[in-house]
Amino acid sequence: EAQVTQNPRYLITVTGKKLTVTCSQNMNHEYMSWYRQDPGLGLRQIYYSMNVEVTDKGDVPEGYKVSRKEKRNFPLILESPSPNQTSLYFCASMGRGRTEAFFGQGTRLTVV
Amino acid sequence: GENVEQHPSTLSVQEGDSAVIKCTYSDSASNYFPWYKQELGKGPQLIIDIRSNVGEKKDQRIAVTLNKTAKHFSLHITETQPEDSAVYFCAASPGGTSILTGGGNKLTFGTGTQLKVEL
Repeated sequence: EAQVTQNPRYLITVTGKKLTVTCSQNMNHEYMSWYRQDPGLGLRQIYYSMNVEVTDKGDVPEGYKVSRKEKRNFPLILESPSPNQTSLYFCASMGRGRTEAFFGQGTRLTVV
Repeated sequence: GENVEQHPSTLSVQEGDSAVIKCTYSDSASNYFPWYKQELGKGPQLIIDIRSNVGEKKDQRIAVTLNKTAKHFSLHITETQPEDSAVYFCAASPGGTSILTGGGNKLTFGTGTQLKVEL
């Protein structure tokens, strides 16, 4: 089954404790991206990757890092989480020449 | 950059009625307009899209219209059913082969509409 898998689905952490949210896709897609979803703000892009070892900032990159060492994986790293990073996070992927984005099921992150 | 406004933020309709969600965009370079449906506890999923060379597109009970001159596009759902209850997002993009990315081919989302279909 074609899918984008995020882990964990839910995470509660404390301010300053480094964490990683994993994202993996099995569709051999070149393009991957991270979004955060907040009430009244919709989906905002954090980082994106056009291919292995190629990443760039989206609209709200502050406080986040990403890496793309393998085509299928695109982890989101929060080096020092803060309460304003409490949000619902989505990973998405898209194939080259295609227009449909496939989203993971989301990660609900709470930073206390 | 592109700015997409979406209204209303919440919409409640009776089963069988129609629902309309409206979006406006700011960048005249945008030429691809998808709509995504997000069910509770799931990620958004593409339900319909339209390109700027088309004024209307239908798929069973859903349709999308585009007024490129006014920079408006709308989602129409007819004969609503309880399973239509979800959050709907519109989006705009300059299109191309990498709309997931930033820069000139970025996918910009609206703020979402919570649709509730009541029995």
